[in-house]
Amino acid sequence: QLQLQESGPGLVRPSETLSLTCAVSGGTISRSSYYWAWIRQAPGKGLEWIGTIYYSGATYYNPSLKGRVTMSVDTSKNQFSLKSTSVTAADTAVYYCATYSGGKAFDNWGQGTLVTVSS
Amino acid sequence: DIQMTQSPSTLSASVGDRVTITCRASQSINSWLAWYQQKPGKAPKLLIYAASSLETGVPSRFSGSGSGTEFSLTINSLQPDDFATYYCQHYNGFSTYTFGQGTKLTIK
Repeated sequence: QLQLQESGPGLVRPSETLSLTCAVSGGTISRSSYYWAWIRQAPGKGLEWIGTIYYSGATYYNPSLKGRVTMSVDTSKNQFSLKSTSVTAADTAVYYCATYSGGKAFDNWGQGTLVTVSS
Repeated sequence: DIQMTQSPSTLSASVGDRVTITCRASQSINSWLAWYQQKPGKAPKLLIYAASSLETGVPSRFSGSGSGTEFSLTINSLQPDDFATYYCQHYNGFSTYTFGQGTKLTIK
């Protein structure tokens, strides 16, 4: 069973860059049938998909995030990462990493990490 | 962009009740729909994928139906553990994942 664990700073200053990493265990990130994703949830709000990455490095991002987001994958460390630039208070959220496998939507999730944007 | 609209936003029910949550897509999404359960402070949990396929380990009192633009999640004989928020999601593999706004199921 795959396990995912998010890590990164819990506090980011406005206008700076948010950086998070998702470590994958119990399986290889290079598995061809898996996609890797970031999803966030602002306090008291619903779920918002941020982006998806394949082990080859191919990415697709939510157009609403207007080019502020970049995802990368490190197959040697079995992890993938998220960077979001020029953050504002609106980026305050619990950030989840998750897997999409074999047409089953997001069937494995990390526990989530709260990122607060504040000076 | 495809929009996903859930109804109702909140639902009050009792243990043992049968409840149905509806999700409408702004255009046809075939059967590319999933349902998740989320409890406070926890990550969402996949219940149903491909509109009607039950995820491994999910109790059989949960069922999904629909195709095209109209979908539903039904919970038969509500258990205390079922009171949570439920989300539908359209997905198409790599490039599109759109969540509904959620339905909070509370105890009457």
